[in-house]
Amino acid sequence: AQSVTQLGSHVSVSEGALVLLRCNYSSSVPPYLFWYVQYPNQGLQLLLKYTSAATLVKGINGFEAEFKKSETSFHLTKPSAHMSDAAEYFCAVSDRTGGFKTIFGAGTRLFVKA
Amino acid sequence: DVKVTQSSRYLVKRTGEKVFLECVQDMDHENMFWYRQDPGLGLRLIYFSYDVKMKEKGDIPEGYSVSREKKERFSLILESASTNQTSMYLCASSGNRPGTGGETQYFGPGTRLLVL
Repeated sequence: AQSVTQLGSHVSVSEGALVLLRCNYSSSVPPYLFWYVQYPNQGLQLLLKYTSAATLVKGINGFEAEFKKSETSFHLTKPSAHMSDAAEYFCAVSDRTGGFKTIFGAGTRLFVKA
Repeated sequence: DVKVTQSSRYLVKRTGEKVFLECVQDMDHENMFWYRQDPGLGLRLIYFSYDVKMKEKGDIPEGYSVSREKKERFSLILESASTNQTSMYLCASSGNRPGTGGETQYFGPGTRLLVL
C-alpha cells in the first residue's frame, strides 16, 4: 500500500528565505510523485511531478523537488520565498499499475512573513 | 484550457436532506474522482470512476453514492446528509495514456458544504 507523510503541518518563512517542505513516501512499486498547491478558496493545481525521468524536477513559480529513492523522499524547495507563495501544499503519490489512484498527504500550510 | 467545474461553491443543507454535488469536465478525461478535504487530514477519496456507468469505492464511501451517466459528468450524492459530512468537496479528473500512468489530476474549485 502507498502512503505519504508530510513533515510539519505549518511552515513559516521570511520573504526571500529558502522554502523547504518535506515529503516522505511509501510505495511497493516505483511511484509517481506530485506536489500540488492550493490557494485560499480554490482547488488544487499541479506544481510539479516526477515520473521517472530526471530525479530533479522543476515546476512552476520557481519550485523544484528532488526524488531520492534511498531516502524515500520528495522534498519541495524554492530558493527565495515570495509573499504570493503563501498557500497549502500537498505531496501525493500514485502507482504505475493503472487506475492512477492518488494518495495525498495531509498538507503543509506555508506562511510567508514580510 | 483545462476546466473542471462544480455546480456550487457553497451549500447549506439540513440534516436528513438529500444532497447532489455535480462535477463537469471538458477534457474528455476517462477518470473522475470525488474527495473530501478536512483540516489535518488532507484529501480523502470517496469514490472514483474510470468509465461511464462505472464506479469504485474509495477510502471513505460510507454515506455517499455516485452517478456517472455521461463521460463528462460525475455526481456525488449524500443520501441523507449528516453534520459529520460538513466539509470541502473536491472533484478531479485525469486522462489515460497507456504506458505512462500517474496522470495529473485536474481539480475543480471545490464545494464547501455545511450541514446543519
